[in-house]
Amino acid sequence: DAGVIQSPRHEVTEMGQEVTLRCKPISGHDYLFWYRQTMMRGLELLIYFNNNVPIDDSGMPEDRFSAKMPNASFSTLKIQPSEPRDSAVYFCASSLHNYGYTFGSGTRLTVV
Amino acid sequence: GENVEQHPSTLSVQEGDSAVIKCTYSDSASNYFPWYKQELGKRPQLIIDIRSNVGEKKDQRIAVTLNKTAKHFSLHITETQPEDSAVYFCAAMRNKFYFGSGTKLNVKP
Repeated sequence: DAGVIQSPRHEVTEMGQEVTLRCKPISGHDYLFWYRQTMMRGLELLIYFNNNVPIDDSGMPEDRFSAKMPNASFSTLKIQPSEPRDSAVYFCASSLHNYGYTFGSGTRLTVV
Repeated sequence: GENVEQHPSTLSVQEGDSAVIKCTYSDSASNYFPWYKQELGKRPQLIIDIRSNVGEKKDQRIAVTLNKTAKHFSLHITETQPEDSAVYFCAAMRNKFYFGSGTKLNVKP
């Protein structure tokens, strides 16, 4: 298995633009998580899905953030409009039965 | 919700020495405690985990201990090597993961 696949690896965008981050979980995993990592705040859970259904989105910072999981093999995290304070590394992770997360390589987002 | 505290925030040891990182949690219903290692610029990777029905688990040079009564768990690395240098995160799970703030381990050759 190729692991959790995220794209793009790096994204530089201007303030106000829409940004879409993509994730393909490990086949057969039933949980998918979106995390944001910054030096100041560490690893923050934004949202997670179980069997494609959003379970907890209490970590989504604002209405500018939205996430979808249309099927078991694909999820997106969208920021619209983006702001400089959204600059961070965004990780997607998946797991089977909510144990032992496997993280993707992350997307480093820079909003200028 | 759960609150996980991790200490120390930085740890510097000489190669060959042992390193211990400690975490406490607040919710007695948490039942799963993984540890992740994150090298600079890379993803966090699971290195060892323990469930609440076990007190200790060992995998070669790393071990984790859990004290449910005191609500704390620790990561022990013996015979440290320079490649152990990284940031280590603990986590406690009750429905979802709550991560500690991380410990930057530096192993000096």
